[in-house]
Amino acid sequence: EDQVTQSPEALRLQEGESSSLNCSYTVSGLRGLFWYRQDPGKGPEFLFTLYSAGEEKEKERLKATLTKKESFLHITAPKPEDSATYLCAVQALFGSGGYQKVTFGTGTKLQVIP
Amino acid sequence: EPEVTQTPSHQVTQMGQEVILRCVPISNHLYFYWYRQILGQKVEFLVSFYNNEISEKSEIFDDQFSVERPDGSNFTLKIRSTKLEDSAMYFCASSVGLYRGSNEQFFGPGTRLTVL
Repeated sequence: EDQVTQSPEALRLQEGESSSLNCSYTVSGLRGLFWYRQDPGKGPEFLFTLYSAGEEKEKERLKATLTKKESFLHITAPKPEDSATYLCAVQALFGSGGYQKVTFGTGTKLQVIP
Repeated sequence: EPEVTQTPSHQVTQMGQEVILRCVPISNHLYFYWYRQILGQKVEFLVSFYNNEISEKSEIFDDQFSVERPDGSNFTLKIRSTKLEDSAMYFCASSVGLYRGSNEQFFGPGTRLTVL
């Protein structure tokens, strides 16, 4: 069974204090790993897709990296507006029909204190 | 920027009633999805839809659920006889395709369903 585990569950940072969030996964036939940001009561907002080990993507203060077993979301010099829950999701082949399903982790709730 | 829209934002219903949740996916996207998120829990896949038929569904998506694309823009999720445990946020999502470079799923703002 596909599994996605995120750590830590919650993270409190001072403004400007860099850190990393972890997403470890166990899937067969990975077709993509996605990072989303979710604000309370809102839908997930797409951030990045990673496809292959060694791949990196950057956007403003965020940088996502991928290995064969895990992904990291690095947050450099965070600001209070970066406070949100960050979700990791993996898309993998399912069954023999070529269908793909997305499995989400439980997320890391980030709080950035001014 | 194109976005997925959902209506209503909040639906309150009595147990046993039917509800229809509506979504308008991004216009050039071909794959449509429904997810749910029970309060405090993770986002869970319900169903994917392509070319006017279900391409995949989870074990959650039982006979009480159905999906439809009644016209060229709307995508609906119907729950036939709601239960208390159906209370959750329901998210619609869409993607251009299934493969590398086209499989990013963009989510709508969600419909909060409350079953009393």
